[in-house]
Amino acid sequence: GAVVSQHPSWVICKSGTSVKIECRSLDFQATTMFWYRQFPKQSLMLMATSNEGSKATYEQGVEKDKFLINHASLTLSTLTVTSAHPEDSSFYICSASFEGRTQYFGPGTRLTVL
Amino acid sequence: GENVEQHPSTLSVQEGDSAVIKCTYSDSASNYFPWYKQELGKRPQLIIDIRSNVGEKKDQRIAVTLNKTAKHFSLHITETQPEDSAVYFCAASSGYALNFGKGTSLLVTP
Repeated sequence: GAVVSQHPSWVICKSGTSVKIECRSLDFQATTMFWYRQFPKQSLMLMATSNEGSKATYEQGVEKDKFLINHASLTLSTLTVTSAHPEDSSFYICSASFEGRTQYFGPGTRLTVL
Repeated sequence: GENVEQHPSTLSVQEGDSAVIKCTYSDSASNYFPWYKQELGKRPQLIIDIRSNVGEKKDQRIAVTLNKTAKHFSLHITETQPEDSAVYFCAASSGYALNFGKGTSLLVTP
């Protein structure tokens, strides 16, 4: 149990385009989903927390207009990187939890912006 | 906000030896402390966690200790094996969000 999927697993895009990443909890209802960014050989940096049906809470320094997060259902959250630039290239990982319990991580999405 | 410090950043041990990774946290309201193992290019996997009402928890070769007064917690791996080689992250939480340490790269040599 407690399986979280992400799609796509990797994506390459041109600078200025937008990219959408999906995070799904497959066998449980995720009341809260989290989005992290991880640069090579670094820790996971929390970008935002989203609760189903409400606006995401962004961490300091994360531009909410650039990283659009939608959590429309208890099993799906999406992260859209708008007008992506090379410095947005990173490993993006989501996690999901049910009512504040253990966070289960997705497999991550490697974004490369050319 | 919460600040989690993790040491050491790298750790090399011989197979069969023990490995200890230590973390400190700043927010006295933190009450949940999980440890994750991440292999290269893969998702973090929860290996053990502890809540603030417990001082120690053990699961086979892995144990975690918590000292709330000193605000530090540690991961202990005994009888290490090469497959234990990975990056280990500690985290602390007072609610839903996790605050991660910077990670420890553990290398277990045969």
